[in-house]
Amino acid sequence: DIQMTQSPSSLSASVGDRVTITCRISQSISSYLNWYQQKPGKAPKLLIYGTSTLQSGVPSRFSGSGSGTDFTLTISSLQPEDFATYYCQQSYTTPRTFGQGTKLEIK
Amino acid sequence: QVQLVQSGAEVKKPGASVKVSCKASGYTFTTYSMHWVRQAPGQGLEWMGIINPSGGSTSYARKFQGRVTMTRDTSTSTVYMELSSLRSEDTAVYYCAREFGITTVRGVGPEFFDYWGQGTLVTVSS
Repeated sequence: DIQMTQSPSSLSASVGDRVTITCRISQSISSYLNWYQQKPGKAPKLLIYGTSTLQSGVPSRFSGSGSGTDFTLTISSLQPEDFATYYCQQSYTTPRTFGQGTKLEIK
Repeated sequence: QVQLVQSGAEVKKPGASVKVSCKASGYTFTTYSMHWVRQAPGQGLEWMGIINPSGGSTSYARKFQGRVTMTRDTSTSTVYMELSSLRSEDTAVYYCAREFGITTVRGVGPEFFDYWGQGTLVTVSS
Protein backbone atom coordinates (compact mmCIF):
# COMPACT_ATOMS: atom_id res chain seq x y z
CA ASP A 1 0.00 0.00 0.00
CA ILE A 2 1.09 3.57 -0.63
CA GLN A 3 2.17 5.30 2.58
CA MET A 4 1.50 8.97 3.16
CA THR A 5 3.46 11.04 5.67
CA GLN A 6 2.25 14.51 6.55
CA SER A 7 4.28 17.09 8.37
CA PRO A 8 3.98 18.69 10.73
CA SER A 9 1.38 16.70 12.66
CA SER A 10 0.35 19.90 14.42
CA LEU A 11 1.01 23.55 13.86
CA SER A 12 0.27 26.72 15.81
CA ALA A 13 -0.13 29.88 13.80
CA SER A 14 -1.75 33.28 13.92
CA VAL A 15 -4.36 34.94 11.75
CA GLY A 16 -2.62 36.38 8.72
CA ASP A 17 0.27 33.90 8.78
CA ARG A 18 1.37 31.91 5.76
CA VAL A 19 1.50 28.20 6.48
CA THR A 20 2.67 25.18 4.52
CA ILE A 21 1.82 21.55 5.10
CA THR A 22 3.82 18.81 3.44
CA CYS A 23 2.75 15.38 2.27
CA ARG A 24 5.43 12.85 1.35
CA ILE A 25 4.42 9.70 -0.51
CA SER A 26 6.15 6.30 -0.46
CA GLN A 27 6.10 6.03 -4.26
CA SER A 28 5.36 8.28 -7.19
CA ILE A 29 1.69 9.09 -7.65
CA SER A 30 2.06 11.55 -10.52
CA SER A 31 -0.37 14.36 -9.63
CA TYR A 32 -3.11 12.23 -8.05
CA LEU A 33 -3.06 14.03 -4.71
CA ASN A 34 -6.01 15.64 -2.96
CA TRP A 35 -6.36 17.79 0.15
CA TYR A 36 -9.26 17.89 2.60
CA GLN A 37 -10.15 20.12 5.54
CA GLN A 38 -12.01 18.73 8.51
CA LYS A 39 -13.54 20.63 11.41
CA PRO A 40 -14.59 18.95 14.66
CA GLY A 41 -17.76 16.92 14.34
CA LYS A 42 -17.97 17.45 10.59
CA ALA A 43 -17.25 15.40 7.51
CA PRO A 44 -14.09 16.23 5.58
CA LYS A 45 -14.40 18.88 2.89
CA LEU A 46 -12.53 18.74 -0.42
CA LEU A 47 -10.18 21.68 -0.87
CA ILE A 48 -7.83 20.76 -3.70
CA TYR A 49 -7.73 17.91 -6.19
CA GLY A 50 -5.19 16.79 -8.75
CA THR A 51 -2.42 18.45 -6.70
CA SER A 52 -3.33 22.05 -7.50
CA THR A 53 -6.93 22.52 -8.67
CA LEU A 54 -9.13 24.37 -6.21
CA GLN A 55 -12.54 22.85 -5.62
CA SER A 56 -15.37 25.22 -6.48
CA GLY A 57 -16.02 27.70 -3.69
CA VAL A 58 -12.66 27.25 -1.97
CA PRO A 59 -10.92 30.58 -1.29
CA SER A 60 -7.90 31.43 -3.40
CA ARG A 61 -5.68 31.73 -0.32
CA PHE A 62 -5.43 27.93 -0.53
CA SER A 63 -3.00 26.48 -3.04
CA GLY A 64 -1.37 23.16 -3.74
CA SER A 65 1.77 22.11 -5.53
CA GLY A 66 4.12 19.20 -6.07
CA SER A 67 4.45 16.06 -8.11
CA GLY A 68 5.73 12.54 -7.80
CA THR A 69 6.34 11.99 -4.11
CA ASP A 70 6.35 15.46 -2.52
CA PHE A 71 3.37 17.74 -2.24
CA THR A 72 2.46 20.87 -0.32
CA LEU A 73 -0.66 22.69 0.76
CA THR A 74 -0.19 26.39 1.39
CA ILE A 75 -2.54 28.85 3.02
CA SER A 76 -1.30 32.30 2.10
CA SER A 77 -2.99 34.32 4.87
CA LEU A 78 -4.71 32.38 7.63
CA GLN A 79 -8.27 33.29 8.45
CA PRO A 80 -10.09 32.33 11.67
CA GLU A 81 -12.18 29.75 9.80
CA ASP A 82 -9.05 27.93 8.57
CA PHE A 83 -8.19 26.46 11.94
CA ALA A 84 -8.95 22.79 11.37
CA THR A 85 -7.28 19.49 10.55
CA TYR A 86 -5.97 18.91 7.04
CA TYR A 87 -5.48 15.59 5.28
CA CYS A 88 -3.77 14.63 2.07
CA GLN A 89 -5.07 11.62 0.13
CA GLN A 90 -3.82 9.76 -2.91
CA SER A 91 -6.08 8.57 -5.71
CA TYR A 92 -3.34 6.98 -7.81
CA THR A 93 -4.32 3.49 -6.80
CA THR A 94 -6.48 1.37 -4.53
CA PRO A 95 -6.39 1.17 -1.60
CA ARG A 96 -6.89 4.89 -1.32
CA THR A 97 -4.78 6.21 1.53
CA PHE A 98 -4.73 9.33 3.66
CA GLY A 99 -2.02 11.16 5.51
CA GLN A 100 -2.29 11.11 9.28
CA GLY A 101 -3.51 14.71 9.38
CA THR A 102 -2.14 18.11 10.38
CA LYS A 103 -3.97 19.95 13.11
CA LEU A 104 -3.76 23.69 12.63
CA GLU A 105 -4.32 25.58 15.86
CA ILE A 106 -4.53 29.21 16.82
CA LYS A 107 -1.39 30.60 18.45
CA GLN B 1 -28.18 19.21 -5.14
CA VAL B 2 -26.10 16.17 -4.32
CA GLN B 3 -26.78 14.68 -0.91
CA LEU B 4 -25.56 11.60 0.89
CA VAL B 5 -27.69 10.83 3.93
CA GLN B 6 -26.53 8.14 6.31
CA SER B 7 -28.41 6.09 8.87
CA GLY B 8 -28.34 6.92 12.54
CA ALA B 9 -25.96 6.08 15.34
CA GLU B 10 -25.63 2.49 16.48
CA VAL B 11 -24.52 0.81 19.70
CA LYS B 12 -23.39 -2.77 19.34
CA LYS B 13 -21.88 -5.44 21.55
CA PRO B 14 -18.55 -7.07 20.72
CA GLY B 15 -19.00 -9.86 18.20
CA ALA B 16 -22.12 -8.36 16.67
CA SER B 17 -22.55 -6.89 13.20
CA VAL B 18 -23.61 -3.44 12.08
CA LYS B 19 -25.06 -2.30 8.78
CA VAL B 20 -24.84 1.38 7.86
CA SER B 21 -26.75 2.86 4.95
CA CYS B 22 -25.99 5.83 2.71
CA LYS B 23 -28.79 7.16 0.51
CA ALA B 24 -27.73 9.23 -2.46
CA SER B 25 -29.77 11.87 -4.23
CA GLY B 26 -29.29 14.70 -6.70
CA TYR B 27 -27.31 12.75 -9.28
CA THR B 28 -27.36 9.53 -11.30
CA PHE B 29 -26.54 6.94 -8.65
CA THR B 30 -24.80 4.47 -10.94
CA THR B 31 -22.37 6.99 -12.42
CA TYR B 32 -19.93 7.36 -9.53
CA SER B 33 -18.25 4.92 -7.21
CA MET B 34 -18.89 5.14 -3.49
CA HIS B 35 -16.27 4.69 -0.81
CA TRP B 36 -16.43 4.09 2.91
CA VAL B 37 -14.01 5.83 5.24
CA ARG B 38 -13.94 5.60 9.01
CA GLN B 39 -12.50 7.74 11.77
CA ALA B 40 -11.89 6.46 15.27
CA PRO B 41 -12.23 9.00 18.11
CA GLY B 42 -9.41 11.53 17.90
CA GLN B 43 -7.78 9.68 15.01
CA GLY B 44 -7.31 10.16 11.29
CA LEU B 45 -9.21 8.96 8.26
CA GLU B 46 -9.05 5.29 7.30
CA TRP B 47 -10.20 4.00 3.92
CA MET B 48 -12.29 0.84 4.10
CA GLY B 49 -13.34 0.06 0.56
CA ILE B 50 -15.18 0.94 -2.63
CA ILE B 51 -18.34 -0.18 -4.35
CA ASN B 52 -19.27 0.47 -7.95
CA PRO B 53 -23.02 1.11 -7.81
CA SER B 54 -23.40 0.24 -11.48
CA GLY B 55 -22.33 -3.40 -11.37
CA GLY B 56 -21.94 -3.87 -7.64
CA SER B 57 -18.24 -4.76 -7.79
CA THR B 58 -16.27 -4.10 -4.63
CA SER B 59 -12.74 -3.81 -3.35
CA TYR B 60 -11.87 -3.78 0.33
CA ALA B 61 -8.88 -2.71 2.35
CA ARG B 62 -6.86 -5.73 3.36
CA LYS B 63 -7.45 -4.92 7.02
CA PHE B 64 -11.21 -5.43 6.66
CA GLN B 65 -11.35 -8.31 4.19
CA GLY B 66 -13.50 -11.08 5.56
CA ARG B 67 -15.35 -8.74 7.92
CA VAL B 68 -16.79 -6.06 5.63
CA THR B 69 -19.43 -6.31 2.94
CA MET B 70 -20.52 -3.43 0.76
CA THR B 71 -23.72 -3.67 -1.24
CA ARG B 72 -26.04 -1.39 -3.13
CA ASP B 73 -29.71 -1.10 -4.01
CA THR B 74 -30.14 0.76 -7.25
CA SER B 75 -33.90 1.01 -6.80
CA THR B 76 -33.40 3.26 -3.77
CA SER B 77 -29.99 4.73 -4.65
CA THR B 78 -28.58 3.40 -1.42
CA VAL B 79 -25.28 1.80 -0.57
CA TYR B 80 -24.69 -0.28 2.54
CA MET B 81 -21.64 -1.16 4.58
CA GLU B 82 -21.86 -4.13 6.91
CA LEU B 83 -19.06 -4.83 9.37
CA SER B 84 -19.12 -8.07 11.33
CA SER B 85 -17.31 -9.49 14.36
CA LEU B 86 -17.22 -6.06 15.91
CA ARG B 87 -14.62 -5.22 18.53
CA SER B 88 -14.04 -2.13 20.62
CA GLU B 89 -11.47 -0.86 18.13
CA ASP B 90 -14.25 -0.55 15.55
CA THR B 91 -15.81 2.30 17.52
CA ALA B 92 -15.68 5.11 15.01
CA VAL B 93 -17.60 7.47 12.78
CA TYR B 94 -18.24 5.82 9.43
CA TYR B 95 -18.56 7.99 6.33
CA CYS B 96 -19.66 7.26 2.80
CA ALA B 97 -18.05 9.45 0.15
CA ARG B 98 -18.74 9.80 -3.53
CA GLU B 99 -15.70 9.66 -5.76
CA PHE B 100 -15.79 11.96 -8.77
CA GLY B 101 -13.40 11.27 -11.62
CA ILE B 102 -12.30 13.53 -14.42
CA THR B 103 -11.68 11.88 -17.76
CA THR B 104 -9.17 13.51 -20.05
CA VAL B 105 -8.01 12.74 -23.58
CA ARG B 106 -5.14 10.84 -21.96
CA GLY B 107 -7.50 8.69 -19.93
CA VAL B 108 -8.46 8.81 -16.26
CA GLY B 109 -7.59 12.08 -14.61
CA PRO B 110 -7.92 13.16 -10.99
CA GLU B 111 -10.36 11.30 -8.78
CA PHE B 112 -11.49 12.75 -5.49
CA PHE B 113 -14.15 12.57 -2.80
CA ASP B 114 -16.37 15.52 -3.58
CA TYR B 115 -19.40 14.68 -1.44
CA TRP B 116 -19.51 13.01 1.95
CA GLY B 117 -22.29 11.70 4.13
CA GLN B 118 -22.79 13.26 7.54
CA GLY B 119 -21.21 10.28 9.27
CA THR B 120 -22.62 7.48 11.42
CA LEU B 121 -21.21 6.86 14.89
CA VAL B 122 -20.88 3.18 15.67
CA THR B 123 -20.07 2.42 19.29
CA VAL B 124 -18.94 -1.07 20.23
CA SER B 125 -19.24 -1.69 23.94
CA SER B 126 -20.18 -4.50 26.23
